[in-house]
Amino acid sequence: DVKVTQSSRYLVKRTGEKVFLECVQDMDHENMFWYRQDPGLGLRLIYFSYDVKMKEKGDIPEGYSVSREKKERFSLILESASTNQTSMYLCASRGGDQPQHFGDGTRLSIL
Amino acid sequence: DAKTTQPNSMESNEEEPVHLPCNHSTISGTDYIHWYRQLPSQGPEYVIHGLTSNVNNRMASLAIAEDRKSSTLILHRATLRDAAVYYCILRRNAGNMLTFGGGTRLMVKP
Repeated sequence: DVKVTQSSRYLVKRTGEKVFLECVQDMDHENMFWYRQDPGLGLRLIYFSYDVKMKEKGDIPEGYSVSREKKERFSLILESASTNQTSMYLCASRGGDQPQHFGDGTRLSIL
Repeated sequence: DAKTTQPNSMESNEEEPVHLPCNHSTISGTDYIHWYRQLPSQGPEYVIHGLTSNVNNRMASLAIAEDRKSSTLILHRATLRDAAVYYCILRRNAGNMLTFGGGTRLMVKP
């Protein structure tokens, strides 16, 4: 089975901090994704990557950046955390044209 | 991606079949129909997908209307562990983005 592991289930940070969310997949998938999930808004794509060092903006990239130095790891960075970035963050990976596999999410609170 | 419409919630009794509908009247010829579900406190989980023909796997069956403007996810015997939000999504072949709508919250009564 594909395993997508997110480094933290719960995280609390302060406004203005730089925040790193880490995601690792074990299936050698080319494609990796970061979403945020908010009540009433569903899942929204922040960034995705289709190869090492490659990235594309999703629907809501503002305030975020990403890093993919190795194929198995995709990091989401909040450059200067703000309270409106309090959310559930979900990482996913996909190989070729197969379905996406998601991690269990990181519930991030910005105080 | 084209839009999908699902009921907000449905109820079922344990061990009975459940039919979860999805309308996608603006579907294009290259859109695959995907179903995911999300259990409480977990990320979405892939259930099944199809293009034109009905599909079966160990989790569920997918019935696709002949005109492809609607589909139905069938859980043959609902269990309490099937209580989740079920999302119907259309994805272009090789498209990178999944657009999740509101989904259907399935409640299973013992």
